[in-house]
Amino acid sequence: AQSVTQPDIHITVSEGASLELRCNYSYGATPYLFWYVQSPGQGLQLLLKYFSGDTLVQGIKGFEAEFKRSQSSFNLRKPSVHWSDAAEYFCALFLWGGGGNKLTFGTGTQLKVEL
Amino acid sequence: EAGVAQSPRYKIIEKRQSVAFWCNPISGHATLYWYQQILGQGPKLLIQFQNNGVVDDSQLPKDRFSAERLKGVDSTLKIQPAKLEDSAVYLCASSLEPGGAFFGAGTRLSVL
Repeated sequence: AQSVTQPDIHITVSEGASLELRCNYSYGATPYLFWYVQSPGQGLQLLLKYFSGDTLVQGIKGFEAEFKRSQSSFNLRKPSVHWSDAAEYFCALFLWGGGGNKLTFGTGTQLKVEL
Repeated sequence: EAGVAQSPRYKIIEKRQSVAFWCNPISGHATLYWYQQILGQGPKLLIQFQNNGVVDDSQLPKDRFSAERLKGVDSTLKIQPAKLEDSAVYLCASSLEPGGAFFGAGTRLSVL
């Protein structure tokens, strides 16, 4: 079955340090993959997306993600984390199916930034 | 460009009561989604509309949940009667292209 896994429930990094959030997917075809960020009390904001082409995708707020088909991964990275990046991050997979096309989310990774 | 509007932002009800949520998607977005996000979990799709037709409601508890999309624009999600386990944030999203959904701020429902 198609699914998205985010292995890390919580991650803590120091401000200025680099960040990598892991995402693994299970899908038979070429996936459409997304990263969303959710600040407390807010809806989800789209950070970046991968449809095809260049496997390194640039997003907003200085984030990037790399699609690796051989590892079934789409990890999110940022070279230098800011305190305002503290939030919950969701990886999502868009599924094409006979029952409708839908966006399926992982369980999320809560990022804490230490000053 | 205006975003996805949802109301109310917060709602507190007692179990067995009814509640309704409203969503106004981004203008021109044909696809509208309702997601349920329970604390500590990722959003779970409840129902998806394409214009005013339902394309996926496989995870909607139809014995108590209903949704409609009027004239392919606004949408309402209703719960009747509510249960304690319905306490969650209900997120509405709309999209123009596959998967690139824009989300509203959500409605936080507490069922006591």
